[in-house]
Amino acid sequence: GAVVSQHPSRVICKSGTSVKIECRSLDFQATTMFWYRQFPKQSLMLMATSNEGSKATYEQGVEKDKFLINHASLTLSTLTVTSAHPEDSSFYICSAKSHTTGRYSNQPQHFGDGTRLSIL
Amino acid sequence: GESVGLHLPTLSVQEGDNSIINCAYSNSASDYFIWYKQESGKGPQFIIDIRSNMDKRQGQRVTVLLNKTVKHLSLQIAATQPGDSAVYFCAVPNTGGFKTIFGAGTRLFVKA
Repeated sequence: GAVVSQHPSRVICKSGTSVKIECRSLDFQATTMFWYRQFPKQSLMLMATSNEGSKATYEQGVEKDKFLINHASLTLSTLTVTSAHPEDSSFYICSAKSHTTGRYSNQPQHFGDGTRLSIL
Repeated sequence: GESVGLHLPTLSVQEGDNSIINCAYSNSASDYFIWYKQESGKGPQFIIDIRSNMDKRQGQRVTVLLNKTVKHLSLQIAATQPGDSAVYFCAVPNTGGFKTIFGAGTRLFVKA
């Protein structure tokens, strides 16, 4: 259980193109999804947190107009890199958490397999 | 701010030996800890977690130890196999649990 599907796995496109990445929770409802960016040999850098039906919360330094996030349903969040440039090339990873209640509401995130974005 | 660190960037072990990966965290109020494994070109995969009311938890070939006194946790992998080669991250939810702070990662190399 707890499978997260991320699509596409790899994108190569020209500078100025907008690219949409989808993140789906396949067997659970994800009230919260996270978008990360990872540079080679580095840890995951959180870009934004999206909650179903509300605006995403962006981390400091992440451009909202550059990285558009939509979480329109409990199983789908999308990240659109608008007018992508070579410096946007990176490995983008989404993750999802389902809603739980109780004292120990902490639980692991379930990650997609990432999208390798290359802007020429 | 809250931080999570790892003691070593790389660890090389012989196949069949046990591996120990260490992690330190800064927030003494942290009550939940997670280990993830990330293979090359893939997203992180959940391995094991532990809550602060425990000091040890075992899974299949993996054990996590938590020492709240010194704010340290470790991941032990028994009889390390080539398939265990990956980057291992410890992770701790921030205050409020709204997001997770990841350590820098330790790359485990398994020598045949």
